[in-house]
Amino acid sequence: GDSVTQMEGPVTLSEEAFLTINCTYTATGYPSLFWYVQYPGEGLQLLLKATKADDKGSNKGFEATYRKETTSFHLEKGSVQVSDSAVYFCALSVNAGNNRKLIWGLGTSLAVNP
Amino acid sequence: DAGVTQSPTHLIKTRGQQVTLRCSPKSGHDTVSWYQQALGQGPQFIFQYYEEEERQRGNFPDRFSGHQFPNYSSELNVNALLLGDSALYLCASSPGQGRNSPLHFGNGTRLTVT
Repeated sequence: GDSVTQMEGPVTLSEEAFLTINCTYTATGYPSLFWYVQYPGEGLQLLLKATKADDKGSNKGFEATYRKETTSFHLEKGSVQVSDSAVYFCALSVNAGNNRKLIWGLGTSLAVNP
Repeated sequence: DAGVTQSPTHLIKTRGQQVTLRCSPKSGHDTVSWYQQALGQGPQFIFQYYEEEERQRGNFPDRFSGHQFPNYSSELNVNALLLGDSALYLCASSPGQGRNSPLHFGNGTRLTVT
């Protein structure tokens, strides 16, 4: 079945360090891929998305490339800030008949220290 | 432009009681989904409403029910509350059900069952 696997956290980095959060997926059909971020005490916010192979989503310095050959959508940022501390969720979306099915990863907690 | 709004923000109920949570979708969005997020966990899909009908349902018992109104707003009802129902309940809206449509989340309702 369809699934998303994220690297386990927590991830702890110093400010200005390079960030990678791995996400791999299995899916039938042609999924769209998303990264959502959840700041403490808040709901989830869409961070970036990619809807077809080789697409690169980017936002706020974060990037992720849809790699069909490796079924991956790893999240990267070149220089993290304290304000990036949050939980990051990878998700895939596939059409299921007339509906859309959204599959979530378990989330990766990121803590950035000054 | 208001995003997704949920009410109330916090709620404390006693085991066995019933609760109703409310959600107004982002302007222009006609599809509403509800999620349960336990502490430290990812969101778990409860159900989705479109055109005032439940279109999809996750693995939740019949104690969880919902409704969508003609203005696209939605309610989540939970009967016979259990301690395990304590969680953050998130509402998300999208413009349609296509796989490319990202979800926009509210900040959630924190439900505590004692």
